[in-house]
Amino acid sequence: GDSVTQMEGPVTLSEEAFLTINCTYTATGYPSLFWYVQYPGEGLQLLLKATKADDKGSNKGFEATYRKETTSFHLEKGSVQVSDSAVYFCALSGSGGSYIPTFGRGTSLIVHP
Amino acid sequence: DGGITQSPKYLFRKEGQNVTLSCEQNLNHDAMYWYRQDPGQGLRLIYYSQIVNDFQKGDIAEGYSVSREKKESFPLTVTSAQKNPTAFYLCASRIPTQGSTEAFFGQGTRLTVV
Repeated sequence: GDSVTQMEGPVTLSEEAFLTINCTYTATGYPSLFWYVQYPGEGLQLLLKATKADDKGSNKGFEATYRKETTSFHLEKGSVQVSDSAVYFCALSGSGGSYIPTFGRGTSLIVHP
Repeated sequence: DGGITQSPKYLFRKEGQNVTLSCEQNLNHDAMYWYRQDPGQGLRLIYYSQIVNDFQKGDIAEGYSVSREKKESFPLTVTSAQKNPTAFYLCASRIPTQGSTEAFFGQGTRLTVV
């Protein structure tokens, strides 16, 4: 079945450091790929998405490129801020017509001043 | 504003008690989902519904039940058969026939067994 694997956290960075959170997936067909962000005690919010191979999603300085050849969708940001501290989830839309969202385990990001 | 509302935000359950978590959306989405979130385990699918009066079990449905009598509402009941119910529960909705559309989430309900 469909699955998403993302790097374990926590990832701890200093402000203005470069961020990469790795995400790889297994799916039949060609799923859409998503990154969501969760702040403490809240639900998930969409951060960015890409719907076909080689698409780049971007939002608030974050970027991720849909790489079909490596089945990856790594999240990057050039300069993180303390306010970026949160849990980040990689996800895909299911295949087979049901499009059930499948999520990775989440990666906690902690940014220090 | 359109969105998903979960209530209550915090819920306490005694041993042997059934409790119901509310999820309401005004986004006109046909598909709704319930996920359970435990530390380090990400989101696990409990139940989902693609259309009114129809729902399917997810990966961890045992000890839970749902209903979908209205498009806007998808309540989750945590029964006494669920042996470890303490967790953060998230409800989501989306357009079911388009894989490219994202899921919208409520703010979650934190359930604690006392």
